[in-house]
Amino acid sequence: NAGVTQTPKFRVLKTGQSMTLLCAQDMNHEYMYWYRQDPGMGLRLIHYSVGEGTTAKGEVPDGYNVSRLKKQNFLLGLESAAPSQTSVYFCASTHLGIEAFFGQGTRLTVV
Amino acid sequence: AQSVTQLDSQVPVFEEAPVELRCNYSSSVSVYLFWYVQYPNQGLQLLLKYLSGSTLVKGINGFEAEFNKSQTSFHLRKPSVHISDTAEYFCAVSEEAGTALIFGKGTTLSVSS
Repeated sequence: NAGVTQTPKFRVLKTGQSMTLLCAQDMNHEYMYWYRQDPGMGLRLIHYSVGEGTTAKGEVPDGYNVSRLKKQNFLLGLESAAPSQTSVYFCASTHLGIEAFFGQGTRLTVV
Repeated sequence: AQSVTQLDSQVPVFEEAPVELRCNYSSSVSVYLFWYVQYPNQGLQLLLKYLSGSTLVKGINGFEAEFNKSQTSFHLRKPSVHISDTAEYFCAVSEEAGTALIFGKGTTLSVSS
């Protein structure tokens, strides 16, 4: 099993550009999450989803949008990238909140 | 709203010494508690979890944690650390009937010889 797969692994954007990060899981998990990790800040929850077609805001949702059209996929969008969004982004999935499985991360730099 | 506080941002220890990484949480309902480890340039790996039952939880690599409901704590311990335990450790909480998984800011464990 692949587990949780994030695409892409690295990306450099110019300020104002848009992009979508894809998270795919093959474990039939109901819950999926997007986090950003910054030095000294730990992992901060951006958005999460408890099922297909549902999303909710986390701690730091501003500047991001998400969609969960299929149970196995959770997309994170940046409509107009800003340097403050330079970070490492992690996706995770869980079965009803028990034991999250993480992707390997996406390192995003906005210049 | 639930939150997690990791009381030490950095913990330096010598090899074979015991270590405790402290975690406190706040929540008004029953919770699930977790410790994750992150090695450099990698994703997060689950060390151990508390869902219910025995308050002493054993995990991988010789780590254990104790859930203390009255003190709302979930401290991580290892009786003898190795150089290979050098990593960042994260405490996390999710409400039993809820959905958001919230992390602390992390503790960097540095083991030296």
